[in-house]
Amino acid sequence: IAGITQAPTSQILAAGRRMTLRCTQDMRHNAMYWYRQDLGLGLRLIHYSNTAGTTGKGEVPDGYSVSRANTDDFPLTLASAVPSQTSVYFCASSGQTSGSNEQFFGPGTRLTVL
Amino acid sequence: AQSVTQPDIHITVSEGASLELRCNYSYGATPYLFWYVQSPGQGLQLLLKYFSGDTLVQGIKGFEAEFKRSQSSFNLRKPSVHWSDAAEYFCAVEVNKLIFGAGTRLAVHP
Repeated sequence: IAGITQAPTSQILAAGRRMTLRCTQDMRHNAMYWYRQDLGLGLRLIHYSNTAGTTGKGEVPDGYSVSRANTDDFPLTLASAVPSQTSVYFCASSGQTSGSNEQFFGPGTRLTVL
Repeated sequence: AQSVTQPDIHITVSEGASLELRCNYSYGATPYLFWYVQSPGQGLQLLLKYFSGDTLVQGIKGFEAEFKRSQSSFNLRKPSVHWSDAAEYFCAVEVNKLIFGAGTRLAVHP
């Protein structure tokens, strides 16, 4: 593979259930990100990781957790899903290019919480 | 706080017509600026970026953008739109992290 993969492609989930969205990159990028995309709001950063072993909170972190055990994987967990977490989730990664973090995006996971 | 504004939610153009998508940002210094495109059901693809230097930036698929410091703008242009350009376009500013505008959805009439 080349780039970023996300799984599952889509999921319907009952409220209160736990769910982990998977993200894997093979570009050896140090930084990885999780965004949610909602109509009229663009993409909003949930959590990020600048390097393996570290994570940070983005703009909308509540209800989500992440881990970064290695360079390639950056799973996003919803401990107890709520309907407001219905969204399309994108994972992204970046190396350091010309002093800026150009980000590469995965294909997204469409999550519906009922 | 830093922000990115894309004033046009939807734009419809005829195939072959010219296109300009507007983007304004709010930031004290000159940030890094990006335009991304998202086709239906797909992730985001980088069209072009501005870091410094020449204020007219060329990107992929025939797109270009011009940085205007005095107007805090980074508008995206294409001289002749193709039907395959129908997509959603996002302007983004990097200030430690990427901040995205809400997007502009482009429809192309034959």
